[in-house]
Amino acid sequence: GENVEQHPSTLSVQEGDSAVIKCTYSDSASNYFPWYKQELGKRPQLIIDIRSNVGEKKDQRIAVTLNKTAKHFSLHITETQPEDSAVYFCAAEGDTGRRALTFGSGTRLQVQP
Amino acid sequence: KAGVTQTPRYLIKTRGQQVTLSCSPISGHRSVSWYQQTPGQGLQFLFEYFSETQRNKGNFPGRFSGRQFSNSRSEMNVSTLELGDSALYLCASSRTSGSKDTQYFGPGTRLTVL
Repeated sequence: GENVEQHPSTLSVQEGDSAVIKCTYSDSASNYFPWYKQELGKRPQLIIDIRSNVGEKKDQRIAVTLNKTAKHFSLHITETQPEDSAVYFCAAEGDTGRRALTFGSGTRLQVQP
Repeated sequence: KAGVTQTPRYLIKTRGQQVTLSCSPISGHRSVSWYQQTPGQGLQFLFEYFSETQRNKGNFPGRFSGRQFSNSRSEMNVSTLELGDSALYLCASSRTSGSKDTQYFGPGTRLTVL
């Protein structure tokens, strides 16, 4: 089955700096890669996703890049703010006609004011 | 549009008991997936239901089961509870099965097994 590895497990940045979280996946058939943000005690919320037919997607301060050949994808947050502090999860899923997101282990991002 | 809702939000049970958790998807969503979240194992896929049929199942023992009703609401049942079943159980809904549509998560049910 699919295996998703996520790094780093913790990340501390100064407000205004950029943050980068990286994930690798094992199943070359995976073609959908969402990123979720989970604040303490709250539900995971989708912040951005990318499908394998594009290499990059941007939404304001958040961008995701995908390298299908190397089987890795990354989340980039620019101009970080204290409210960006949360745990971020990457995930991967194949186009099998069934749902089965495989999640990375999470990155705890701390933005220092 | 109302989001995914889960009941109850908190539950305390003892070993050996069974428990049923409920999930109401976003209106119009027919796929409901369940996940277990623990500090040690992270977020793990349990199963997915679509049109009242289990479409996919993760690597969990048979004590974990589920069902889906004609209105797309889903229930998850865990029998013969073990201490290790203590976790946050999240459900997520999407319009269809498969990766074409985004999954939206509910707030979760925090289960504590004593």
